[in-house]
Amino acid sequence: AQSVTQLGSHVSVSEGALVLLRCNYSSSVPPYLFWYVQYPNQGLQLLLKYTSAATLVKGINGFEAEFNKSQTSFHLRKPSVHISDTAEYFCAVSDRRNRDDKIIFGKGTRLHILP
Amino acid sequence: NAGVTQTPKFQVLKTGQSMTLQCAQDMNHEYMSWYRQDPGMGLRLIHYSVGAGITDQGEVPNGYNVSRSTTEDFPLRLLSAAPSQTSVYFCASSYLGRDEQYFGPGTRLTVT
Repeated sequence: AQSVTQLGSHVSVSEGALVLLRCNYSSSVPPYLFWYVQYPNQGLQLLLKYTSAATLVKGINGFEAEFNKSQTSFHLRKPSVHISDTAEYFCAVSDRRNRDDKIIFGKGTRLHILP
Repeated sequence: NAGVTQTPKFQVLKTGQSMTLQCAQDMNHEYMSWYRQDPGMGLRLIHYSVGAGITDQGEVPNGYNVSRSTTEDFPLRLLSAAPSQTSVYFCASSYLGRDEQYFGPGTRLTVT
């Protein structure tokens, strides 16, 4: 069964700094991987997804993530964060071999940007 | 396209009352699902559907019923509300279960 672990439930960084949000997955084969963002009082929206051979995935709002098979990781980063990036971020995984497989979400990392 | 819509946005129930949370999507997605979100627990899957007429249980199905009579609609019914069902509920849809999901804006439910 697929699973994801997000390291750090809360992360605080200063505006303009680099941020790295960590996600490790458990799967016997390379899965589909996703990062979602949830702004306060809103639903989740997709930031980026990994579904193919390209290991560096670029998403919206300047975010990117790198798929690392040997470390079973899919960490999310942004070189220079803005106050508007304050939100909760969720890593998610699904089994690419099974069309009806369900996406499994991590418990989330709350990102706080300091002015 | 409206995407995924949910009604109501907010609801307060008394213990024992029943209600239905509505969810609709206009993207012709086969897969639809309901989650609840509680602090520190992430998103937990309640029920899901891979197509009209087909539903199945997720991680936390007790106290909830679903049906899928059309591709567009996937209502969630609370049979007899309990304070433990106080949560934020999200509906989502996708082409296939393994694909990126599109989320509605959520329903904040309080059971007193």
